[in-house]
This record gives sequence, structure tokens and C-alpha cells, in this order.
Amino acid sequence: SQQGEEDPQALSIQEGENATMNCSYKTSINNLQWYRQNSGRGLVHLILIRSNEREKHSGRLRVTLDTSKKSSSLLITASRAADTASYFCATDAGANPGGGNKLTFGTGTQLKVEL
Amino acid sequence: SQTIHQWPATLVQPVGSPLSLECTVEGTSNPNLYWYRQAAGRGLQLLFYSVGIGQISSEVPQNLSASRPQDRQFILSSKKLLLSDSGFYLCAWGRPVYGYTFGSGTRLTVV
Repeated sequence: SQQGEEDPQALSIQEGENATMNCSYKTSINNLQWYRQNSGRGLVHLILIRSNEREKHSGRLRVTLDTSKKSSSLLITASRAADTASYFCATDAGANPGGGNKLTFGTGTQLKVEL
Repeated sequence: SQTIHQWPATLVQPVGSPLSLECTVEGTSNPNLYWYRQAAGRGLQLLFYSVGIGQISSEVPQNLSASRPQDRQFILSSKKLLLSDSGFYLCAWGRPVYGYTFGSGTRLTVV
């Protein structure tokens, strides 16, 4: 079963605008991660935020985590056409139900950045 | 540096034929290894994972099997493919606490 659900499923913006994607999950977690997938390619790890962190930055990426609401958001600032891809959240539930030695991925948000 | 190799990139197989997809990792030892399947426009479904040689955990009962004959080799197999086995197969290594590195994927079409 899917631990994470991304919202929206698809997002289309103009270059230069900010893109915000949200992820909700069900069980308590050790960390939450965001990945990017270009069409027909493997996933690339973008950023990891631990359960005791509330916000993290990496370049144009900003991730927030609200463990009380079991949700996270990924903000891409000043988007570029090259940011067009699918974005997935993934959770490490550790010893909690659905955890163990594996990440559980959400359903993804398809981002299209138009010139 | 660590690298992961997955092949072939694309594969078209008839229904009922066998399958073997291979994944190898370089530059690390005793990695956790994972096989995922992705249907078109969908999320990732974990199929199998392995925390060591000969240790396989199956997540979804199905027509597929996995083996880990060597520390850095992970193989996905089927004796007889079904149409429903079509999809994009991804191999990954890593640990949940740090994140995964994915291979480039295999596009399997069963006809």
C-alpha cells in the first residue's frame, strides 16, 4: 500500500514561478525524502528531512515537515523548464507498521514548467 | 564512487517466455538492494528487497522471483511472463536512513 500521497497529481506553471507539491503519509516516520524522475529514467534523490527537523533547504529546493499533520511540502523556487519531471515523496517508517528496511513511495506529482 | 548498473534498458517479450533482469552495484559492500515496478504514470511498487546474499523479502505475491547470488548482484526473474508483468522495473541500492540510488530502469513490454 502507498504510504505517501502527493498532491496535486499534476501541476503546470510558467518558468520563473514557484512550484509547491505536498505529501501526506499515514504512520510515524524516521525521515521523509523527495525524489525526482525524468520521463523514462530512474529516480534521483533530492533531499532528506528527519522527523525532528521542520525545514530544510538545498539550492532552489525547500522542504517542510509537519509530523503532527503527517505532511510535507516541496517548494521549487524560480522554476526552470529543466525542472519538468515527476516528483515523489518517500518515507522511512523504521520499525513502525509498513517500515523495516525499506522506503515507501507516494504516487508522485507531475510537474510541467513551460517557457 | 558507487554506481549501479541495470540492464537491459528495454525488453519486448512474448507471453509465457522467461525473464531475467540483472542489477549490479559497484563501490560498496553489503548494500541493501531493491526491485521496484512502476506502471505507466503511476507510483513505485516495491517487489523485493534484500539485506544480504541469499536473503530475499517479497512484498507482493506474484509471477516474479528475485535472487541475490553475490553481494552486489540482484536478479529479477520469471518463469512465464504475463501481460500484466509489463512495466518499468527499477533497481535501487541504499538504506532508508540515507536514501536510495536508482538504476536507469528497464522498460518491459510483454506482448
